[in-house]
Amino acid sequence: GESVGLHLPTLSVQEGDNSIINCAYSNSASDYFIWYKQESGKGPQFIIDIRSNMDKRQGQRVTVLLNKTVKHLSLQIAATQPGDSAVYFCAEKVGGSTLGRLYFGRGTQLTVWP
Amino acid sequence: DTGVSQDPRHKITKRGQNVTFRCDPISEHNRLYWYRQTLGQGPEFLTYFQNEAQLEKSRLLSDRFSAERPKGSFSTLEIQRTEQGDSAMYLCASSLATSRDSPRDTQYFGPGTRLTVL
Repeated sequence: GESVGLHLPTLSVQEGDNSIINCAYSNSASDYFIWYKQESGKGPQFIIDIRSNMDKRQGQRVTVLLNKTVKHLSLQIAATQPGDSAVYFCAEKVGGSTLGRLYFGRGTQLTVWP
Repeated sequence: DTGVSQDPRHKITKRGQNVTFRCDPISEHNRLYWYRQTLGQGPEFLTYFQNEAQLEKSRLLSDRFSAERPKGSFSTLEIQRTEQGDSAMYLCASSLATSRDSPRDTQYFGPGTRLTVL
């Protein structure tokens, strides 16, 4: 079955440092991946996405890398700020016609220290 | 505010009672999703609609759960005879799928309804 997981449940970084959050997936049929940020008491907030025909995509201060060979996804946050503290989830969509569901991993808690 | 909205934000109920949640998607989004999230876990898919048609339901959606999207706009999720195990955050998301097989179906989430069953 589909599986999305994370290498580390928690990550602590100092303000200004770069953060890297990792995610592993097991389904080769996954064709679309998304990173969400969730602050306490709020719904997940879209950060960045990537399709399986790409290996890198950049946004504002964030970069997502996709390595299909080892089924690994990472989110890099440049110059991490205290406002980046949250739980980060990777999610995947498996290829298919009407399958709209996303499969989420457990999440990584990012804490940014001043 | 043009984001996804959910009502109520919090609901406390006694076991055995029925509850209903509402979700208003982003205007003109044709897909609407319901997920459930328990503490420390990622959201789990429950069901989704394209316009008014319910296209997929998870095995998590027992016969006590029912969802509707009668006019293809807002949606309701009802839980009958609530159980303590139903306590969770219920999240709604919406997206604009441009084709039936659109993989880049970016889902935008609402703030959720936190349900506590006593």
